[in-house]
Amino acid sequence: GQQLNQSPQSMFIQEGEDVSMNCTSSSIFNTWLWYKQDPGEGPVLLIALYKAGELTSNGRLTAQFGITRKDSFLNISASIPSDVGIYFCAGLTNSGYALNFGKGTSLLVTP
Amino acid sequence: ETGVTQTPRHLVMGMTNKKSLKCEQHLGHNAMYWYKQSAKKPLELMFVYSLEERVENNSVPSRFSPECPNSSHLFLHLHTLQPEDSALYLCASSQDSRDTIYFGEGSWLTVV
Repeated sequence: GQQLNQSPQSMFIQEGEDVSMNCTSSSIFNTWLWYKQDPGEGPVLLIALYKAGELTSNGRLTAQFGITRKDSFLNISASIPSDVGIYFCAGLTNSGYALNFGKGTSLLVTP
Repeated sequence: ETGVTQTPRHLVMGMTNKKSLKCEQHLGHNAMYWYKQSAKKPLELMFVYSLEERVENNSVPSRFSPECPNSSHLFLHLHTLQPEDSALYLCASSQDSRDTIYFGEGSWLTVV
């Protein structure tokens, strides 16, 4: 599969701060997805993006499908302790049967 | 509740045991997946089934044997595993292959 470069690898922030993470690839993707995984659980879909330039929000989360179709960003505003977890980006190219995943961004939020 | 149910949630097995992981999806999807998640490693795609036919096998050792009897059920049969196979095994489904996938809660496997 295609390799996705996700950064940062980890973030340690205070409650109330905004968070930004991104994912890049050398290949063009047709779909970008963002998942969150809580400890001991499976990843849960947060936001799905299907069109270049698309900006989509889900509560305090906002994600964008990059114009070049090679990147995507996820922003979390006014973070709270329950935002703690690992956030994964995933993308789908024209080839292959399944999603390619980034290595994840581990987010820790202190009260 | 994601609509994808995995059992058991936790499994401890010896290297000579035979066990199976089960996955059931209630979403009416046509594609199902097995992923492996090890500590500090990215999600690894193991198998993809589309309309009950295996369409991708990512060089997975033969000690892992998938079975998809119908579009709602997926099994992963485990035989003579190694300690390094200990991981979280995630099942997922999507409407069709190459579509947004939805994960189950995972089965934690420990091989002793």
